[in-house]
This record gives sequence, structure tokens and C-alpha cells, in this order.
Amino acid sequence: EAQVTQNPRYLITVTGKKLTVTCSQNMNHEYMSWYRQDPGLGLRQIYYSMNVEVTDKGDVPEGYKVSRKEKRNFPLILESPSPNQTSLYFCASSSRQDSTDTQYFGPGTRLTVL
Amino acid sequence: RKEVEQDPGPFNVPEGATVAFNCTYSNSASQSFFWYRQDCRKEPKLLMSVYSSGNEDGRFTAQLNRASQYISLLIRDSKLSDSATYLCVVNSPTGFQKLVFGTGTRLLVSP
Repeated sequence: EAQVTQNPRYLITVTGKKLTVTCSQNMNHEYMSWYRQDPGLGLRQIYYSMNVEVTDKGDVPEGYKVSRKEKRNFPLILESPSPNQTSLYFCASSSRQDSTDTQYFGPGTRLTVL
Repeated sequence: RKEVEQDPGPFNVPEGATVAFNCTYSNSASQSFFWYRQDCRKEPKLLMSVYSSGNEDGRFTAQLNRASQYISLLIRDSKLSDSATYLCVVNSPTGFQKLVFGTGTRLLVSP
């Protein structure tokens, strides 16, 4: 089954404790991205990747890091989480590099930073 | 001004009703338009792309008005299962193309 998976699905952590949210897709997509969704603000792009070893900042990259060492994986790293990073996070992938193709989203990771 | 604006709703309609949502976008150079559906705090899923000539998929009709920079979604014969948030999505042709998501319009269909 074609899918995007994310782990963990739910996470409660404390300020400053490094964490990684994993994202993996099995559709051989080149384009992957991370979004956060907050009430009243919609989905905002954090980082995106056009291919292996090619990543760039989206609209709200501060406090986040990403890596793309393999085509299928695109982990999101929070080196020192803060309460304002409490949010619902979605990973997405698509087959076209220009992102205008259908975006396939993972099930989301609900993060709470205390 | 937001790049993509939607009425947050909620739109409360009875089963069988016809309901329409509009969405406005600010960048006249945008070329790609979509409607995504999102059930409560779940992942968004593509409902339909929006083409210049308008397009229909079963009970759903999408239209694009480039002159006024808005897109619309019409749902006929609403079902209980149509209850969801509908996200208007537009590509932003500023440098590397990316997608800009509206905050969504919530639809509640009641028996």
C-alpha cells in the first residue's frame, strides 16, 4: 500500500530535550516536505526536499533541522524544542519536484512541548 | 493580506442540500489550484484539482475565476460523510514553486 508514515504519532516532551520525528514514504517520490498546522494559521511549510541531499527552508524553519540521506526518509529534528513548537506536524511527499502534483500526507504527529 | 483566504465557517447544512465555498488568492501568477479535504485533525487528502475550464467529480464541482482570483467548490446532495474541513490550496510561483494552504472552511452536514 502506497503511504507516508510518521513516528511517533503523539509526543509530550520538555523544553530543550532533543527529538526526532521520522517520516518515510514508499512511493519513490522525489519531493518531500514538512508542515506544521496551528489553529487559525493553516498548514505552513517548515522545510522541503527536492531529492536526496537537497533541502531548503520553507516559511517557518526556525528551530528545526532536516536531512535527506535516503530518498524514502525525511526526518524532522528539533534540537532544543520550545513550547511554541507545540503543534500538529505533517510530512508530505509528491512525485513532482515542483510540488504541484498531488501531495500525500502522513497521519500527523501531535507534539506537545512543556 | 493572506495569500489564500477562506471563510472559516462552519457551514451548517442539512443532508441533501447544495453548498458552495469560495476561496480567494492574492498572487495572479499562480497556476495550480486544488481542494483538499481534512477530517478532524487527520491528514489532508486531495479532493480535486481545479482546472481553468472548471471540472466536476460526481457531486463536486470546482471552478476557477482568474479575473477575480477566486476558486469555488460546489457540493450537491450533501451527505453526512461530507462533514469535514475543506482546504483551498494554491501554488505560489515565487522562486521554487510551493503550495500555500488556506486555513480551511468547515462543513457540518446534519440529518
